[in-house]
Amino acid sequence: QQQVKQSPQSLIVQKGGISIINCAYENTAFDYFPWYQQFPGKGPALLIAIRPDVSEKKEGRFTISFNKSAKQFSLHIMDSQPGDSATYFCAASNFNKFYFGSGTKLNVKP
Amino acid sequence: EAGVAQSPRYKIIEKRQSVAFWCNPISGHATLYWYQQILGQGPKLLIQFQNNGVVDDSQLPKDRFSAERLKGVDSTLKIQPAKLEDSAVYLCASSLFAQKNYEQYFGPGTRLTVT
Repeated sequence: QQQVKQSPQSLIVQKGGISIINCAYENTAFDYFPWYQQFPGKGPALLIAIRPDVSEKKEGRFTISFNKSAKQFSLHIMDSQPGDSATYFCAASNFNKFYFGSGTKLNVKP
Repeated sequence: EAGVAQSPRYKIIEKRQSVAFWCNPISGHATLYWYQQILGQGPKLLIQFQNNGVVDDSQLPKDRFSAERLKGVDSTLKIQPAKLEDSAVYLCASSLFAQKNYEQYFGPGTRLTVT
């Protein structure tokens, strides 16, 4: 079964806008929730990650919001730029084993 | 620090042929993963090594896929015989696995096309 559900499948945002991608999980044993950014022809690159003992983590324009009771977490990209156009994957991990969402293709229009 | 290296970057083979992919993880990383990424989907774990032992290979199609990690460093993933549905990008990743450091680093992947 799908351990991590990600939405939306695709997202179009104007330059300067906020991009929001959501993920939900079922297994409460997950203890690490990373987000990856993938450009065409490249492997996924770790963008930002959070552990369930905090509700928010911010690194530059990227913020993870984490809702443990709802078993949901989301990625917010502030001031979205055309260079942010890529596919974003959420993941959840337990004991160093990772389960990935299906990906969100983000297109930031100039 | 050098990243995860993979070769070849691209491979085209006919169905029923065999193919092998190579991965060199980041130095000192104890955990090595092979993922299959089908176009438009997230990576799916095929096999996970801890040093040179297999931690999880539950989703590896063992009738045609095999993998080994020699001396706990480099790893090879083999497909024999290949099927059309094996067309995908094969990603190798590694992580330190120390003090619950779960940061995982991916290589560029090998794009396999089976015709």
